[in-house]
Amino acid sequence: QKEVEQNSGPLSVPEGAIASLNCTYSDRGSQSFFWYRQYSGKSPELIMFIYSNGDKEDGRFTAQLNKASQYVSLLIRDSQPSDSATYLCAVNVGFGNEKLTFGTGTRLTIIP
Amino acid sequence: GAGVSQTPSNKVTEKGKYVELRCDPISGHTALYWYRQSLGQGPEFLIYFQGTGAADDSGLPNDRFFAVRPEGSVSTLKIQRTERGDSAVYLCASRWTSGRRNNEQFFGPGTRLTVL
Repeated sequence: QKEVEQNSGPLSVPEGAIASLNCTYSDRGSQSFFWYRQYSGKSPELIMFIYSNGDKEDGRFTAQLNKASQYVSLLIRDSQPSDSATYLCAVNVGFGNEKLTFGTGTRLTIIP
Repeated sequence: GAGVSQTPSNKVTEKGKYVELRCDPISGHTALYWYRQSLGQGPEFLIYFQGTGAADDSGLPNDRFFAVRPEGSVSTLKIQRTERGDSAVYLCASRWTSGRRNNEQFFGPGTRLTVL
């Protein structure tokens, strides 16, 4: 079992709709959870991070964490063509080191 | 301000050769990370520096890989006797460490290594 699992997609969503991206992780000791966006040929850029169970909202983005189910998700509201990218879920197991374990990424395409 | 920079942006080498990849982190960032990203995969952790010392090198695949950060700023990833399987994008990231939990890692543009 991979440490961080994501559906590789591609996921196609009409412009203006909600895109839902999911991620599961295996290490119950994981403390911090991150969503990175990566455009083709570019480096990852941080979209959101979440530490506590529940929802965290930032603009059009909402991260959801359920530690009991070892599940983290990212919702993108009012999807725009510029949101088309690969979304990487990343996890770290504790503070003081902060090395990230990434999933393989979900490729998202927003259809105009 | 300047972000993380990496040189070269592209490196083509022959199997068996030695290569060095350079990372210049954001000024003031004490934590520095190297990751490797193969096509269609997420970045894979290689090594983490806190200051000058390698705090965690558990991700280095074998002893052909080595990294240094002698003055706590610029880091060099060194690969000996390169193999075709080493072909990937090598990403460097840096982070400002503090007592706070906000621990965003800022990634550089990467070095695309191709071993022929």
